Amino acid sequence: AQTVTQSQPEMSVQEAETVTLSCTYDTSESDYYLFWYKQPPSRQMILVIRQEAYKQQNATENRFSVNFQKAAKSFSLKISDSQLGDAAMYFCAYRKNSGGSNYKLTFGKGTLLTVNP
Amino acid sequence: SQTIHQWPATLVQPVGSPLSLECTVEGTSNPNLYWYRQAAGRGLQLLFYSVGIGQISSEVPQNLSASRPQDRQFILSSKKLLLSDSGFYLCAQDQGGTYEQYFGPGTRLTVT
Repeated sequence: AQTVTQSQPEMSVQEAETVTLSCTYDTSESDYYLFWYKQPPSRQMILVIRQEAYKQQNATENRFSVNFQKAAKSFSLKISDSQLGDAAMYFCAYRKNSGGSNYKLTFGKGTLLTVNP
Repeated sequence: SQTIHQWPATLVQPVGSPLSLECTVEGTSNPNLYWYRQAAGRGLQLLFYSVGIGQISSEVPQNLSASRPQDRQFILSSKKLLLSDSGFYLCAQDQGGTYEQYFGPGTRLTVT
């Protein structure tokens, strides 16, 4: 079974600085997708960024970028120029590309990010 | 764009009472629908998913059930709530062939 591990329960960063959140996963599949979701205090889950396993290029969305190391099964999220609004719980998630209709997501336990002014 | 509504936003129920949580989706047709539960300090656990009307698959055996009476409506139910059913329930949807799941605002359930 696939597992997703986030080893940092909490992280903090100064406003305008850069922070990296770690995620590792375990799978025997070769075709899959990885995601980072953000859950602010409102608890709404917001998709931050996604990475297709077949793509070697790391995904980037504005201030958010990932470091995807397929062989190491590592998928870290880098937040540049951190803003107060980035404070949230961040979840790493995995989805197998099964070719079927059930795109089940497996989540890590999350990393709580605090942004200090 | 797709919008997911969940109702109610907050619910406090006594042990042994019934439960009905509703999720409705706008702006899309024939979505895959999911119910997740998030316990305090934990990630999300998939409870049920549905690929079409009347089609429900259960991921975790428990005293909860789900139904999909309409294409864009997904309901989570229980006949008798347990204390362990407390948590934050999230409905999500995706379109077959796309990769991301999008989530509703959630329902906070407290069983007393």
